[in-house]
Amino acid sequence: AQSVAQPEDQVNVAEGNPLTVKCTYSVSGNPYLFWYVQYPNRGLQFLLKYITGDNLVKGSYGFEAEFNKSQTSFHLKKPSALVSDSALYFCAVSASYGGSQGNLIFGKGTKLSVKP
Amino acid sequence: GAGVSQSPSNKVTEKGKDVELRCDPISGHTALYWYRQRLGQGLEFLIYFQGNSAPDKSGLPSDRFSAERTGESVSTLTIQRTQQEDSAVYLCASRSSGNYEQYFGPGTRLTVT
Repeated sequence: AQSVAQPEDQVNVAEGNPLTVKCTYSVSGNPYLFWYVQYPNRGLQFLLKYITGDNLVKGSYGFEAEFNKSQTSFHLKKPSALVSDSALYFCAVSASYGGSQGNLIFGKGTKLSVKP
Repeated sequence: GAGVSQSPSNKVTEKGKDVELRCDPISGHTALYWYRQRLGQGLEFLIYFQGNSAPDKSGLPSDRFSAERTGESVSTLTIQRTQQEDSAVYLCASRSSGNYEQYFGPGTRLTVT
């Protein structure tokens, strides 16, 4: 069965410091990996994805993530955190079957809090 | 362009009543998904429509839940005889063929009293 784990319920970072939000996954077949961000009272916004190719992918708002196949991880990173990055972050995975794509399996989310 | 829209934004209903939630996907998006987000939880997949293919209903939690989609347009999620555990935010997402990311609507917050 496919699953996603986000081991930290909350991550606290000082503004200007680097941040990492962790994600590990379990899926049969080739994984498609995603990060979404949810601001209060708003829908989910797509940040970035890994489909194939370069293991380091760059996305919106200066975020990046590194796909590590041997560790089955897809951690989200940013070199310098902003207070406005404070939000709920979700990692998600879907498996590809014969080129088609199904639904996303989401982690439980990690609340990122960036303090000035 | 216009994103995914959902209506109503909030719905309060009494236990036992039926409710209908609506999703308007991004124009041209062939795939449409419904998810449920309970308070403090991640998203649970409910149902997936892809073009004119039979929908993937594997995530529907009970036979009280059903959904329809006409072609590649609007979808409705119906919950019959609502229960308090149905209280959640119901999110709709759409995706275009050839792309991988799903785009989410703002959700419908359902409260069953």
